[in-house]
Amino acid sequence: GQNIDQPTEMTATEGAIVQINCTYQTSGFNGLFWYQQHAGEAPTFLSYNVLDGLEEKGRFSSFLSRSKGYSYLLLKELQMKDSASYLCAVGGNQGGKLIFGQGTELSVKP
Amino acid sequence: DVKVTQSSRYLVKRTGEKVFLECVQDMDHENMFWYRQDPGLGLRLIYFSYDVKMKEKGDIPEGYSVSREKKERFSLILESASTNQTSMYLCASSVGTAHGYTFGSGTRLTVV
Repeated sequence: GQNIDQPTEMTATEGAIVQINCTYQTSGFNGLFWYQQHAGEAPTFLSYNVLDGLEEKGRFSSFLSRSKGYSYLLLKELQMKDSASYLCAVGGNQGGKLIFGQGTELSVKP
Repeated sequence: DVKVTQSSRYLVKRTGEKVFLECVQDMDHENMFWYRQDPGLGLRLIYFSYDVKMKEKGDIPEGYSVSREKKERFSLILESASTNQTSMYLCASSVGTAHGYTFGSGTRLTVV
């Protein structure tokens, strides 16, 4: 079957660093995405990894290990506005279709 | 920027009604998707389409149908709304896996 696992919720302090993990088992792999979703809003694209390694984009970085079926999203210098749900999604072997994890609800405290 | 527009942000419908949720994208994307999002269950794929007049079932198609008469428009139809279809419905479009999705703003449907 196809499965994507990520923690349900996390809490971190403003200014700190937080790592959100995602493990996946899918039939086929065409890349891994991270999306951010604020309450009541649509998900917005954060990052895309298709090769192993780290992709850095400002305060956000995403890492992929295909052999381990593992990714993480790293958020640095946390701000209150980073409080949101973070969705891990994998492109499988059916072109264009993404499979989503349940999302990790991140709360940033002062 | 690609824009995906869902016709309503909030809808309240009665049990048994036929409900139409409309989604329009303005960037000539081939691929369009309908998901529902529920607490603790994440995003679940209802139907998707890779071309005009083409549709494929996702993971939870029961109780739903879709229509794609034009490339830019993908409609989700609840044939006879039931209370367990109360949910947030998200439409998305893409040009291919490597480009990910662009989502619409969502429609929060309540069936009473």
